[in-house]
Amino acid sequence: EVQLVQSGAEVKKPGESLRISCKGSGYSFTSYWINWVRQMPGKGLEWMGRIDPSDSYANYSPSFQGHVTISADKSINTAYLQWSSLKASDTAMYYCARHFTAVAPADYWGQGTLVTVSS
Amino acid sequence: EIVLTQSPGTLSLSPGEKATLSCRASQSVSSTFLAWYQQKPGQAPRLLIYGASSRATGIPDRFSGSGSGTDFTLTISRLEPEDFAVYYCQQYGSSPPNTFGQGTKVEMK
Repeated sequence: EVQLVQSGAEVKKPGESLRISCKGSGYSFTSYWINWVRQMPGKGLEWMGRIDPSDSYANYSPSFQGHVTISADKSINTAYLQWSSLKASDTAMYYCARHFTAVAPADYWGQGTLVTVSS
Repeated sequence: EIVLTQSPGTLSLSPGEKATLSCRASQSVSSTFLAWYQQKPGQAPRLLIYGASSRATGIPDRFSGSGSGTDFTLTISRLEPEDFAVYYCQQYGSSPPNTFGQGTKVEMK
């Protein structure tokens, strides 16, 4: 069974760093890209960026470039989304999702990680 | 960056009725790279349609997609109670970002 299991909810203060994770199982992890998608409270879906776990090549939406880093460790089938300095506006649900090629839809999604940034 | 505009923002319908959702792109999108997702409260999105008109695995045939160029449509032929949700279109062409529309909420009348 294909699964993407994300790390648990986080509560952080502005300026703190954070890394959340997405672990794939039930499929060949390096054969699928991983996307990250943001959903702010009560709002729609925003595509943040994607990574090819086979070589860790990543690209980003201009809206998120420079503010987040996407990485992957193929030895443990895990992708990451990290921030070096959180802002209150980073409060959101974050989803990972896999897609087969760089130009394929996201067919399996993680359950989401809620990040709350508050002083 | 391709901007996707969905309409209407909210659709109020009764079970058994037909739902027609629109997704308009700011520039031409290859139909190969247009998807629709369904999201219910508290859940992750679920892929419904890819390649503008192909149903994903396990998706009932009351869901259909059509369109080309800049205008795409998701049709739900007869609404079931479990279909009341928010629907998003997405383009996933070769050049990121892979943008989403802002969503259409299908609510029970």
